[in-house]
Amino acid sequence: ETGVTQSPTHLIKTRGQQVTLRCSSQSGHNTVSWYQQALGQGPQFIFQYYREEENGRGNFPPRFSGLQFPNYSSELNVNALELDDSALYLCASSSGKRQGLKNAGELFFGEGSRLTVL
Amino acid sequence: EDQVTQSPEALRLQEGESSSLNCSYTVSGLRGLFWYRQDPGKGPEFLFTLYSAGEEKEKERLKATLTKKESFLHITAPKPEDSATYLCAVRGNSGTYKYIFGTGTRLKVLA
Repeated sequence: ETGVTQSPTHLIKTRGQQVTLRCSSQSGHNTVSWYQQALGQGPQFIFQYYREEENGRGNFPPRFSGLQFPNYSSELNVNALELDDSALYLCASSSGKRQGLKNAGELFFGEGSRLTVL
Repeated sequence: EDQVTQSPEALRLQEGESSSLNCSYTVSGLRGLFWYRQDPGKGPEFLFTLYSAGEEKEKERLKATLTKKESFLHITAPKPEDSATYLCAVRGNSGTYKYIFGTGTRLKVLA
């Protein structure tokens, strides 16, 4: 069973540029969520994808967008980068079968992509 | 609004010195409370899920408990390798499928 993998692990961009981060979900999982974790803070929910559709979004502007592919892998795109976008971006996969149940399932995280905006 | 508060922010223990970490939460319709361990620069590693008040889960030196307002992560006889940030998260009935995380407790266990 393969875990959640993310790429790249580190990257440096300048203000105004665009970035694409990639994630492969854990085997058997069809739901992918993206979180932003600033230094010293807990992860903040960006959005979730289930069966290639965005089905939940946190308080992030539209310049944060995403995609999910038929193989359940996902991309996070951020346009017009700002200094405050510097953070660890975490991808988490889970089983979509649990979404409709009373008890929510756990998230399984990748190692993250560390983005630095200069 | 769903909210999670963890305390203390940081904790230093001597090896073998047991202690507890606290996670206080407010959530509309708890659908799960989750504990994670996070090492510096790494993604969170899943530890436990709790669903109902009174529920307990154990794994090696860690034990998680849940009440209607808070959860505790008890660490018995910790070792230096237990040093990490411990994150608590809740999932409620908000409808957005988001998990709300606390800011974590940074644990340092000294040999």
